[in-house]
Formats: sequence, structure tokens, C-alpha cells
Amino acid sequence: DAGITQSPRHKVTETGTPVTLRCHQTENHRYMYWYRQDPGHGLRLIHYSYGVKDTDKGEVSDGYSVSRSKTEDFLLTLESATSSQTSVYFCAISELNTEAFFGQGTRLTVV
Amino acid sequence: QQQVKQSPQSLIVQKGGIPIINCAYENTAFDYFPWYQQFPGKGPALLIAIRPDVSEKKEGRFTISFNKSAKQFSLHIMDSQPGDSATYFCAATHAGKSTFGDGTTLTVKP
Repeated sequence: DAGITQSPRHKVTETGTPVTLRCHQTENHRYMYWYRQDPGHGLRLIHYSYGVKDTDKGEVSDGYSVSRSKTEDFLLTLESATSSQTSVYFCAISELNTEAFFGQGTRLTVV
Repeated sequence: QQQVKQSPQSLIVQKGGIPIINCAYENTAFDYFPWYQQFPGKGPALLIAIRPDVSEKKEGRFTISFNKSAKQFSLHIMDSQPGDSATYFCAATHAGKSTFGDGTTLTVKP
């Protein structure tokens, strides 16, 4: 695997609590992404970053925020978790319009 | 509005068969078209990719056919093997953002 690590790998949390997922890369890639994967929906972009402190929304950004204070770290925060946010979350890294390298995923369950 | 439509949703072939997965896109600004392979419990991994200035690309048993005028591209897997059983995603990329198809679950029977 490319140098990309997601943490935690699994998490169970209660409705209404904030949750932060971390993505760490050692490849110095400019672009970082958060996707969620749900059955029948493929991979849907939540937020992405094109540089330190430069982020933008994807197609399913409501209820999520991100931060990138260093090139290597991209954090995804669920401000107040809901059951609809139960999903598998993938972080990815890339350079402009080239191959994306994906992490192993984080399985999040909101109860 | 779904910008990348992938079909079929699932596909079953015998070993040695040639599964074909199709994708269609709408945005003519897309300029990079990768295919990813995903095994259960793993993240997607790049299989093969094409840019719109070529109509076909082969890498081993995997071929992408690209039709720019029709805004369609497809993945062909020659001499498919049980180890190719996985979920396949097409994607279309522009300005650093990728839009994915919904995926095709391929089963290759021995």
C-alpha cells in the first residue's frame, strides 16, 4: 500500500456525538480526499483538499467538516453523528488528475 | 444528477470468459478515466487508466476502450480468472476531483 494510514479502523459511536477520523500520508501528495462508500452508491466524495488549509466540498458534505493544517494530515469531523452517517469512510491521496491511492478504510457505526 | 453511469451492477462469467463493464459520462471536461478494483475489506486500487487522447489501452489482461464522441468507456478482462472476482469502479476526473460509478461486482466461476 502507498503510505496512507487511516485511524481508527473501526469505531462505534452514539448519535449526537462528534467524531473525528484521521488520514495520514507519507507521500507528500498535494490532493487528499474523504469518500464514503455505501452499498449501491459506490464512492461519494465528502470533502477534498488541494493544499494546506485549502479545502472544498464534495457531493455529500452536509454534516461533515474537514481540516488540513499539515500536508500529511487530513481530518474528517462528523459534527453530530447520525445513523445515516454509518458507512465505510475512505481517505485517498493523489497528484492532479492522476492515480488516487486509497487507505484501508474506517468502518463507522452510529447507534 | 449522476455524472458517471456504470453497468452492469453485477456480472457472473465462467473462467476464461471476457467480462465487459461499461461506463458513460456527461461532463466533457473530464480528462482522466481510471478503473479501480476493490476486494472485500480493502480500499480500491488502480487497475488501469486512460486519457481521452487515445481510444484504447492495454495492460496485461485488462483493456480500456474509450469513445470520446459517445462519452463512453469500457473495461474488458481477457481470460478472466477466479482471482479477478472483485468489485470494479470506473471514475472520471477533472481538476483533481473524481466522480465514481456505482460499481460492478464481478464473479468468475471456476
